[in-house]
Amino acid sequence: DAGVIQSPRHEVTEMGQEVTLRCKPISGHNSLFWYRQTMMRGLELLIYFNNNVPIDDSGMPEDRFSAKMPNASFSTLKIQPSEPRDSAVYFCASTQGNSPLHFGNGTRLTVT
Amino acid sequence: DAKTTQPPSMDCAEGRAANLPCNHSTISGNEYVYWYRQIHSQGPQYIIHGLKNNETNEMASLIITEDRKSSTLILPHATLRDTAVYYCIVRGVWNDYKLSFGAGTTVTVRA
Repeated sequence: DAGVIQSPRHEVTEMGQEVTLRCKPISGHNSLFWYRQTMMRGLELLIYFNNNVPIDDSGMPEDRFSAKMPNASFSTLKIQPSEPRDSAVYFCASTQGNSPLHFGNGTRLTVT
Repeated sequence: DAKTTQPPSMDCAEGRAANLPCNHSTISGNEYVYWYRQIHSQGPQYIIHGLKNNETNEMASLIITEDRKSSTLILPHATLRDTAVYYCIVRGVWNDYKLSFGAGTTVTVRA
């Protein structure tokens, strides 16, 4: 069990650039979550997928953020255009049914 | 919606038991108590969860009061690697997919 795999581990980009974060959930898990963590706001749920379908995206801050899950083994979170206030650690998590969430080790995004 | 209340920080001596309290006075009958921890630069890690009965696993024990309004996470023999932020979360079984992480308790284990 390799756990939830996120890439890249670190991303530094300039304001206005497009950023794509990637996540591979644990095999067999049917729910996937994207969270964002900052010092000011803590851990915030951005979007939740169930069986590859977005169920709740109410946490997505703006239209600049979009997330996709084309299949059960892959998801992306895209920010276009990126802004300095998007700097944060972005976590992906997956689970099956009502089992506990398993988190990846996150992508630390810095937008200059 | 702050469903849980935890002390912001606590220290613990290495090798001693660490007892982490959590208040969840508004918990409903079908909500579980979950504990996660986050070690620096890592994602949150599941520790344990329970509904009514006390629970124990290889990582910790969870003691839930009879009225379920509070609980205590016990790390029986704290090590330096247990230094982390510990989150107490209440979560329903069905349709409550959102884990609302509060500020948690920063636990520092000292040698």
